[in-house]
Order: sequence, then structure tokens, then C-alpha cells
Amino acid sequence: AQSVTQPDIHITVSEGASLELRCNYSYGATPYLFWYVQSPGQGLQLLLKYFSGDTLVQGIKGFEAEFKRSQSSFNLRKPSVHWSDAAEYFCAVVPANQAGTALIFGKGTTLSVSS
Amino acid sequence: DVKVTQSSRYLVKRTGEKVFLECVQDMDHENMFWYRQDPGLGLRLIYFSYDVKMKEKGDIPEGYSVSREKKERFSLILESASTNQTSMYLCASSLDGYNEKLFFGSGTQLSVL
Repeated sequence: AQSVTQPDIHITVSEGASLELRCNYSYGATPYLFWYVQSPGQGLQLLLKYFSGDTLVQGIKGFEAEFKRSQSSFNLRKPSVHWSDAAEYFCAVVPANQAGTALIFGKGTTLSVSS
Repeated sequence: DVKVTQSSRYLVKRTGEKVFLECVQDMDHENMFWYRQDPGLGLRLIYFSYDVKMKEKGDIPEGYSVSREKKERFSLILESASTNQTSMYLCASSLDGYNEKLFFGSGTQLSVL
């Protein structure tokens, strides 16, 4: 079955430190990949997406993610975390070349930022 | 900006009631979705629709049905609400078939007592 795994339920990072949130997927073929963020009490916002091309993609708010086909991973990174980055982060996938389907989301990783 | 509007932010219903959750989008999007969000479980897909009068079951359709009579409106129906359907319900829409970008509503927090 197709699935998305975010191994870390909760991560705490010091402000100014680097961040990496993990995402692994299980699909027959390379899917389209997304990261969404949900700040407390807010709706979901798209951070970045990967469809094809350069495997390192840049997003909003200084985030980037790297697609690694060999590891079936799409990890999210940020070099220096700000207190405002505290939120819940969701990785999502949709089958490539298969229109008319829906995004499948991981269970999310909650990021806390300590001062 | 695309707007996805969910009719209620908070809703309290009793077990056995029929519940309608309404969602309207204003950007002529083809695709619309209903997810529920529960702590520790992320977003789980209930139903989606990629055309008017078309619907597809998601991962957890049991106990739910949907209606899409008009392109801009996608309704989620709980035929007989149960306590395990207490959850945050999120509606979303997208323009293209690959869901390059989903636009989410602000959610409806449903409590079933």
C-alpha cells in the first residue's frame, strides 16, 4: 500500500540551530512530494514541492528539501531555526502521472523551538 | 487569493444526528477534498471529487458520504453521527489533477456528544 512515514513525532531544536525533518514514502514509482506547515490555530500552508528536475528544492521561509530516490526520502531542512518556526509539519505525496488522485499525508512532526 | 470557506468553525452535535459540513471555493477549482485531522494521526482522506457529481472514496470513508451538485460546493455528510467522529474536518481544493497546490479551509471542529 502507498504510504508516507514521518518517523519523528516531536522534535525540539534550539533557536538558531539547524533543522532536519524526515519523510519517507512507499510508492511503486516516484511520486510528487510536498511539505506543508500548520502553525498553531492556523490553516495548512504549502512550504515547497518536488515534481521533477533538481532534487534540491527551495521553499518559503528559508526551508529546503532534498529528494533522494535511492532512499525514498524527502527530508526538510532549515539552516537556522527561528522561534516562529514552531509548528506542525506534514509531508505529503501524490502519484506522479496519475491525475485525479488525492494527496496522502504523513502523521506529522511537531517542532518546538527552545530559546 | 483563493478562498475555501467552511460554513462553521465549531459545531456540537448529538449522537445519531445527521450532520452536514459545507465547503465552498471561489476559484473554479476542479478538485475538492475532505480530510479529518486528529492528533497523532495527521490528515486522513475521507472523500474527494475531481468533477461535479463525481466522488471517490479516500482512506476512511466509512460513516461518511459526500455531495457535489455544483462545482464550487462540496458537502460532507455524517448520516448518523457517532462520538468517534469528533474531529477537525478540513476541506481543500486544487485546480489541477496533480494537486500542485492545495488550498485549505480553516476547518470545522466537530464535537459529537
